[in-house]
Amino acid sequence: AQSVTQLGSHVSVSEGALVLLRCNYSSSVPPYLFWYVQYPNQGLQLLLKYTSAATLVKGINGFEAEFKKSETSFHLTKPSAHMSDAAEYFCAVRLSASKIIFGSGTRLSIRP
Amino acid sequence: NAGVTQTPKFQVLKTGQSMTLQCAQDMNHEYMSWYRQDPGMGLRLIHYSVGAGITDQGEVPNGYNVSRSTTEDFPLRLLSAAPSQTSVYFCASRRDSNQPQHFGDGTRLSIL
Repeated sequence: AQSVTQLGSHVSVSEGALVLLRCNYSSSVPPYLFWYVQYPNQGLQLLLKYTSAATLVKGINGFEAEFKKSETSFHLTKPSAHMSDAAEYFCAVRLSASKIIFGSGTRLSIRP
Repeated sequence: NAGVTQTPKFQVLKTGQSMTLQCAQDMNHEYMSWYRQDPGMGLRLIHYSVGAGITDQGEVPNGYNVSRSTTEDFPLRLLSAAPSQTSVYFCASRRDSNQPQHFGDGTRLSIL
């Protein structure tokens, strides 16, 4: 079955530390991949997207993600965490022209 | 530019009642989707539409109906509410199959 797996439902890092949120996917077609962020009581906002161009994708707020076909991964990183990065992050994959499915989410906490 | 507008923001229903969750977008997007968000399960696709007059089922369609009579509107109907339908519901739209989705702020629904 085609799916999206986010490893770690909760990640906690210190302010200024590296952020790494993991996402693995399975897809029978070349994937379109997305990372979204959700702040409390809000909808999802797009951070970045991969659409088969460059494998390293830069997004908003200093985040970036690298598409690794051999590992079927699309991990999200940020070199230095900020308190405002605390939120829930979702990885998503486009399965077909009409369907996009989401991972179960990773809640990111930032320690002062 | 309002984007994707969902109403109501909050609703409490009794088991067996029916209601319609409204979703409207003003971006002339062809693709629209409904998701439900439950703790630890991410977003699950309920129904989607690829244009006016065209709808299809997602991962968890049971208990929900949709219609798409106009490009702008994509209402979600609960015919006979059940406690298992307590959730946060998100509507999303996108211009075409290669674009990321724009999300509304969600409807928080409780079924007693």
